[in-house]
Amino acid sequence: DAGVTQSPTHLIKTRGQQVTLRCSPKSGHDTVSWYQQALGQGPQFIFQYYEEEERQRGNFPDRFSGHQFPNYSSELNVNALLLGDSALYLCASSLEHGYSYEQYFGPGTRLTVT
Amino acid sequence: GDSVTQMEGPVTLSEEAFLTINCTYTATGYPSLFWYVQYPGEGLQLLLKATKADDKGSNKGFEATYRKETTSFHLEKGSVQVSDSAVYFCALSVQRYNNNDMRFGAGTRLTVKP
Repeated sequence: DAGVTQSPTHLIKTRGQQVTLRCSPKSGHDTVSWYQQALGQGPQFIFQYYEEEERQRGNFPDRFSGHQFPNYSSELNVNALLLGDSALYLCASSLEHGYSYEQYFGPGTRLTVT
Repeated sequence: GDSVTQMEGPVTLSEEAFLTINCTYTATGYPSLFWYVQYPGEGLQLLLKATKADDKGSNKGFEATYRKETTSFHLEKGSVQVSDSAVYFCALSVQRYNNNDMRFGAGTRLTVKP
């Protein structure tokens, strides 16, 4: 049973550029959430996708956008990158009608903005 | 809003010592509670969970009991090993209509010395 996968593993971008990160959820899961984890901090919720729509969003600017595909995979896009966007970006999947609402995390994409 | 406060680290213990990492929460509603572990360079792994008051989650010798009266979910292990060295995150999730993001504490870094 494949867990949550993310690509790429590492990425280096320059300020002002745009980046796309990808996530495939755990088999059988239909909901994808994205988190930003700055160095030494806990993950911060960016947004969640279900049925190909963003249904909940954390306190992140519109530069952060996403998409969910019919196969439940998801993309996170960040425009006009800032140095402060350097972080580990985590994707988590869950089942909308699961019992305990637990989320399964991927290994993350380490984004460095220079 | 919903939030988690956990014991600040870092925590350094000798092998076979007893571990406690404190976690308290604030939530409107009835949260599920989780402990996640993050090893260096990796994503988050679910360590244990509890979905209702008085439930005890356990895994790999770690335990935590959901205490509604004290709004706590402290992590304990009777005898730590060097391989337990990692960052531990307490988290909660409250299922509401179209809203079930996960809120994390800041993390507690544990180092176990031989």
